[in-house]
Amino acid sequence: NAGVTQTPKFRILKIGQSMTLQCTQDMNHNYMYWYRQDPGMGLKLIYYSVGAGITDKGEVPNGYNVSRSTTEDFPLRLELAAPSQTSVYFCASGHKTYEQYFGPGTRLTVT
Amino acid sequence: TQLLEQSPQFLSIQEGENLTVYCNSSSVFSSLQWYRQEPGEGPVLLVTVVTGGEVKKLKRLTFQFGDARKDSSLHITAAQPGDTGLYLCAGAWRDKFYFGSGTKLNVKP
Repeated sequence: NAGVTQTPKFRILKIGQSMTLQCTQDMNHNYMYWYRQDPGMGLKLIYYSVGAGITDKGEVPNGYNVSRSTTEDFPLRLELAAPSQTSVYFCASGHKTYEQYFGPGTRLTVT
Repeated sequence: TQLLEQSPQFLSIQEGENLTVYCNSSSVFSSLQWYRQEPGEGPVLLVTVVTGGEVKKLKRLTFQFGDARKDSSLHITAAQPGDTGLYLCAGAWRDKFYFGSGTKLNVKP
């Protein structure tokens, strides 16, 4: 039972590079979320989706983009990476807003 | 933005002691969740409370949702070293979740 999977686990980017963080869930959840967690802090919502084809901004969307073409996948795109985007990124999914199941995270460093 | 404040930020106690963690806001939430996070891993859902005044028990953990659905508390009885971790509360409102900054708990044997 895979749950929520994220790739890659670690990545180092140079300033100005772009990358896509992958997130896949096998629980047929409609709701999916992307968060970032800075050291010693809680999670900040970047983008979320309530179903395939529907996405919306969270608290900290600047510098990121998402798409949701299928129920299973919710990739997060970073364009023109900046040092301020150094963080741990978590993807989560849930049936409704009563629950979230998190992936293991992607640790990103921008230098 | 709905803000959730957690207190205390850090808690270091001896095995066997009791503790309470608080999660407060001036905003109303449709539900509130508590998560525990271990270093290098994603948060794991412990409980969801939905109704104002609701109390849920999970073995030695007791969760309460305030009557006005603006605050919550987590009480641990007879803490054990296995309870060590980062405890996060998260409030849900209109399809979004808002997280507190967390309480880092260390239970010493």
